[in-house]
Amino acid sequence: EVQLVESGGGLVQPGGSLRLSCAASRFTLSDHYMDWVRQAPGKGLEWVGRTRNKGNSYTTEYAASVKDRFTISRDDSKNSLYLRMNSLKTEDSAVYYCASLYCTTTTCFNYWGQGTLVTVSS
Amino acid sequence: DIQMTQSPSSLSASVGDRVTITCQASQDIGNYLNWYQQKPGKAPKVLIYGASNLETGVPSRFSGSGSGTDFTFTISSLQPEDIATYYCQQYEILPLTFGGGTKVEIK
Repeated sequence: EVQLVESGGGLVQPGGSLRLSCAASRFTLSDHYMDWVRQAPGKGLEWVGRTRNKGNSYTTEYAASVKDRFTISRDDSKNSLYLRMNSLKTEDSAVYYCASLYCTTTTCFNYWGQGTLVTVSS
Repeated sequence: DIQMTQSPSSLSASVGDRVTITCQASQDIGNYLNWYQQKPGKAPKVLIYGASNLETGVPSRFSGSGSGTDFTFTISSLQPEDIATYYCQQYEILPLTFGGGTKVEIK
Protein backbone atom coordinates (compact mmCIF):
# COMPACT_ATOMS: atom_id res chain seq x y z
CA GLU A 1 0.00 0.00 0.00
CA VAL A 2 1.10 3.56 -0.72
CA GLN A 3 2.85 5.18 2.23
CA LEU A 4 3.76 8.81 2.80
CA VAL A 5 5.83 9.76 5.84
CA GLU A 6 6.45 13.40 6.75
CA SER A 7 9.26 14.72 8.91
CA GLY A 8 10.93 17.99 9.80
CA GLY A 9 8.27 19.72 11.86
CA GLY A 10 9.05 21.54 15.06
CA LEU A 11 9.15 24.86 16.85
CA VAL A 12 10.44 27.87 14.93
CA GLN A 13 10.43 31.58 15.67
CA PRO A 14 8.42 34.04 13.58
CA GLY A 15 10.44 35.06 10.55
CA GLY A 16 12.32 31.77 10.60
CA SER A 17 12.55 28.95 8.09
CA LEU A 18 11.87 25.24 8.09
CA ARG A 19 12.00 22.42 5.55
CA LEU A 20 9.54 19.57 5.69
CA SER A 21 10.22 16.25 4.00
CA CYS A 22 7.89 13.54 2.77
CA ALA A 23 9.21 10.08 1.94
CA ALA A 24 7.06 8.05 -0.41
CA SER A 25 7.04 4.29 -0.68
CA ARG A 26 5.25 1.71 -2.80
CA PHE A 27 4.66 4.19 -5.60
CA THR A 28 6.81 6.27 -7.93
CA LEU A 29 6.64 9.90 -6.88
CA SER A 30 7.56 11.27 -10.32
CA ASP A 31 4.41 9.75 -11.82
CA HIS A 32 2.08 11.65 -9.50
CA TYR A 33 0.82 15.08 -8.60
CA MET A 34 1.76 15.85 -5.00
CA ASP A 35 0.16 18.31 -2.60
CA TRP A 36 0.74 19.84 0.79
CA VAL A 37 -2.31 20.49 2.96
CA ARG A 38 -2.28 22.02 6.44
CA GLN A 39 -4.60 22.10 9.40
CA ALA A 40 -4.25 24.65 12.19
CA PRO A 41 -5.04 23.29 15.67
CA GLY A 42 -8.79 22.75 15.99
CA LYS A 43 -9.44 24.17 12.53
CA GLY A 44 -10.29 22.94 9.06
CA LEU A 45 -8.17 21.87 6.11
CA GLU A 46 -6.28 24.33 3.93
CA TRP A 47 -4.53 23.42 0.68
CA VAL A 48 -1.00 24.84 0.58
CA GLY A 49 0.33 23.91 -2.84
CA ARG A 50 0.91 21.33 -5.54
CA THR A 51 3.66 20.03 -7.76
CA ARG A 52 2.54 18.29 -10.91
CA ASN A 53 4.13 15.08 -12.21
CA LYS A 54 7.09 14.61 -14.53
CA GLY A 55 4.83 14.50 -17.57
CA ASN A 56 3.62 17.99 -16.67
CA SER A 57 7.11 19.34 -16.08
CA TYR A 58 6.79 19.38 -12.29
CA THR A 59 5.06 22.77 -12.43
CA THR A 60 3.97 24.18 -9.09
CA GLU A 61 1.00 26.14 -7.78
CA TYR A 62 0.54 27.74 -4.36
CA ALA A 63 -2.18 29.13 -2.18
CA ALA A 64 -2.16 32.92 -2.02
CA SER A 65 -1.44 32.78 1.72
CA VAL A 66 1.95 31.11 1.17
CA LYS A 67 2.95 32.21 -2.34
CA ASP A 68 6.47 33.69 -2.47
CA ARG A 69 7.27 32.27 1.00
CA PHE A 70 6.87 28.51 0.48
CA THR A 71 8.51 26.33 -2.17
CA ILE A 72 7.68 22.74 -3.10
CA SER A 73 10.42 20.60 -4.57
CA ARG A 74 11.15 16.94 -5.26
CA ASP A 75 14.07 14.55 -5.34
CA ASP A 76 12.99 11.65 -7.51
CA SER A 77 16.18 9.72 -6.75
CA LYS A 78 15.06 9.64 -3.12
CA ASN A 79 11.36 9.38 -3.97
CA SER A 80 10.86 12.37 -1.70
CA LEU A 81 8.89 15.61 -1.61
CA TYR A 82 9.86 18.77 0.24
CA LEU A 83 8.25 21.96 1.48
CA ARG A 84 10.60 24.84 2.16
CA MET A 85 8.93 27.44 4.36
CA ASN A 86 10.47 30.89 4.75
CA SER A 87 9.38 34.04 6.58
CA LEU A 88 7.16 31.98 8.83
CA LYS A 89 4.26 33.62 10.63
CA THR A 90 2.35 32.54 13.71
CA GLU A 91 -0.63 31.80 11.47
CA ASP A 92 1.44 29.15 9.65
CA SER A 93 1.29 26.97 12.78
CA ALA A 94 -0.43 23.76 11.75
CA VAL A 95 -0.13 20.07 11.08
CA TYR A 96 1.26 19.78 7.56
CA TYR A 97 0.17 16.80 5.48
CA CYS A 98 1.92 15.50 2.41
CA ALA A 99 -0.72 14.07 0.08
CA SER A 100 -1.42 12.92 -3.42
CA LEU A 101 -4.87 14.22 -4.29
CA TYR A 102 -5.43 13.52 -7.95
CA CYS A 103 -8.97 12.44 -8.77
CA THR A 104 -11.12 12.52 -11.87
CA THR A 105 -14.85 11.94 -11.79
CA THR A 106 -14.29 8.21 -12.28
CA THR A 107 -10.99 7.40 -10.56
CA CYS A 108 -9.24 8.68 -7.48
CA PHE A 109 -5.64 8.47 -6.28
CA ASN A 110 -5.96 9.99 -2.85
CA TYR A 111 -3.33 9.29 -0.19
CA TRP A 112 -2.19 11.23 2.86
CA GLY A 113 0.72 11.05 5.24
CA GLN A 114 0.27 11.14 9.00
CA GLY A 115 1.23 14.81 9.23
CA THR A 116 3.98 16.77 10.95
CA LEU A 117 3.35 19.62 13.40
CA VAL A 118 4.86 23.05 12.80
CA THR A 119 4.63 25.59 15.59
CA VAL A 120 5.64 29.18 14.90
CA SER A 121 6.09 31.01 18.18
CA SER A 122 8.55 33.21 20.01
CA ASP B 1 -11.28 30.95 -5.40
CA ILE B 2 -14.25 28.60 -5.11
CA GLN B 3 -15.88 28.82 -1.67
CA MET B 4 -17.34 25.64 -0.20
CA THR B 5 -20.14 26.19 2.32
CA GLN B 6 -20.82 23.11 4.41
CA SER B 7 -23.68 22.63 6.85
CA PRO B 8 -24.34 21.96 9.60
CA SER B 9 -21.07 22.61 11.41
CA SER B 10 -21.99 19.95 13.95
CA LEU B 11 -24.74 17.45 14.59
CA SER B 12 -25.74 14.91 17.18
CA ALA B 13 -27.65 11.80 16.18
CA SER B 14 -28.51 8.38 17.55
CA VAL B 15 -27.03 5.09 16.40
CA GLY B 16 -29.04 3.92 13.41
CA ASP B 17 -30.17 7.42 12.40
CA ARG B 18 -29.88 8.76 8.88
CA VAL B 19 -27.42 11.66 8.77
CA THR B 20 -27.23 14.24 5.98
CA ILE B 21 -24.60 16.90 5.36
CA THR B 22 -24.77 19.47 2.60
CA CYS B 23 -22.08 21.34 0.72
CA GLN B 24 -22.62 24.27 -1.61
CA ALA B 25 -20.01 25.55 -4.04
CA SER B 26 -19.79 29.23 -4.96
CA GLN B 27 -19.67 28.27 -8.65
CA ASP B 28 -20.34 25.26 -10.85
CA ILE B 29 -17.85 22.47 -10.11
CA GLY B 30 -19.57 19.71 -12.08
CA ASN B 31 -18.96 16.47 -10.20
CA TYR B 32 -15.48 17.37 -9.01
CA LEU B 33 -16.20 16.87 -5.33
CA ASN B 34 -14.75 14.62 -2.64
CA TRP B 35 -16.05 13.79 0.82
CA TYR B 36 -13.57 12.98 3.59
CA GLN B 37 -13.79 11.52 7.07
CA GLN B 38 -11.27 12.69 9.66
CA LYS B 39 -10.93 11.17 13.10
CA PRO B 40 -9.01 12.97 15.89
CA GLY B 41 -5.26 12.89 15.39
CA LYS B 42 -5.55 11.19 12.02
CA ALA B 43 -5.25 12.26 8.40
CA PRO B 44 -8.41 12.67 6.35
CA LYS B 45 -9.65 9.62 4.48
CA VAL B 46 -11.55 9.92 1.22
CA LEU B 47 -14.98 8.24 1.29
CA ILE B 48 -16.63 9.60 -1.85
CA TYR B 49 -15.05 10.99 -5.03
CA GLY B 50 -16.62 12.40 -8.15
CA ALA B 51 -19.57 13.47 -5.97
CA SER B 52 -21.12 10.00 -5.83
CA ASN B 53 -18.48 7.29 -6.27
CA LEU B 54 -17.77 5.17 -3.21
CA GLU B 55 -14.06 4.68 -2.58
CA THR B 56 -12.95 1.05 -2.48
CA GLY B 57 -13.40 -0.52 0.93
CA VAL B 58 -15.75 2.16 2.26
CA PRO B 59 -19.00 0.82 3.76
CA SER B 60 -22.08 1.20 1.61
CA ARG B 61 -23.93 3.16 4.31
CA PHE B 62 -21.98 6.18 3.05
CA SER B 63 -23.21 7.87 -0.12
CA GLY B 64 -22.97 11.14 -1.99
CA SER B 65 -25.09 12.94 -4.55
CA GLY B 66 -25.39 16.21 -6.39
CA SER B 67 -23.69 18.12 -9.17
CA GLY B 68 -23.03 21.71 -10.16
CA THR B 69 -23.17 23.70 -6.94
CA ASP B 70 -25.24 21.60 -4.51
CA PHE B 71 -24.09 18.34 -2.97
CA THR B 72 -25.26 15.98 -0.26
CA PHE B 73 -23.43 13.39 1.84
CA THR B 74 -25.47 10.75 3.66
CA ILE B 75 -24.81 8.12 6.29
CA SER B 76 -27.82 5.84 6.00
CA SER B 77 -27.48 4.28 9.44
CA LEU B 78 -25.08 5.99 11.83
CA GLN B 79 -22.64 3.67 13.61
CA PRO B 80 -20.47 4.42 16.65
CA GLU B 81 -17.33 4.22 14.52
CA ASP B 82 -18.63 7.02 12.29
CA ILE B 83 -17.90 9.62 14.96
CA ALA B 84 -15.61 12.02 13.13
CA THR B 85 -15.47 15.31 11.29
CA TYR B 86 -16.51 15.23 7.64
CA TYR B 87 -15.26 17.61 4.94
CA CYS B 88 -16.23 18.27 1.35
CA GLN B 89 -13.52 19.38 -1.10
CA GLN B 90 -13.74 20.63 -4.66
CA TYR B 91 -11.10 19.73 -7.23
CA GLU B 92 -12.52 21.38 -10.31
CA ILE B 93 -9.90 24.10 -10.18
CA LEU B 94 -6.93 25.19 -8.07
CA PRO B 95 -6.72 26.21 -5.34
CA LEU B 96 -8.32 23.08 -3.95
CA THR B 97 -10.80 24.24 -1.33
CA PHE B 98 -12.52 22.49 1.53
CA GLY B 99 -15.75 23.00 3.37
CA GLY B 100 -15.56 24.07 6.99
CA GLY B 101 -16.31 20.59 8.29
CA THR B 102 -19.18 18.86 10.08
CA LYS B 103 -18.50 17.28 13.45
CA VAL B 104 -20.73 14.23 13.93
CA GLU B 105 -21.42 13.03 17.46
CA ILE B 106 -23.56 10.33 19.00
CA LYS B 107 -26.58 11.46 20.96
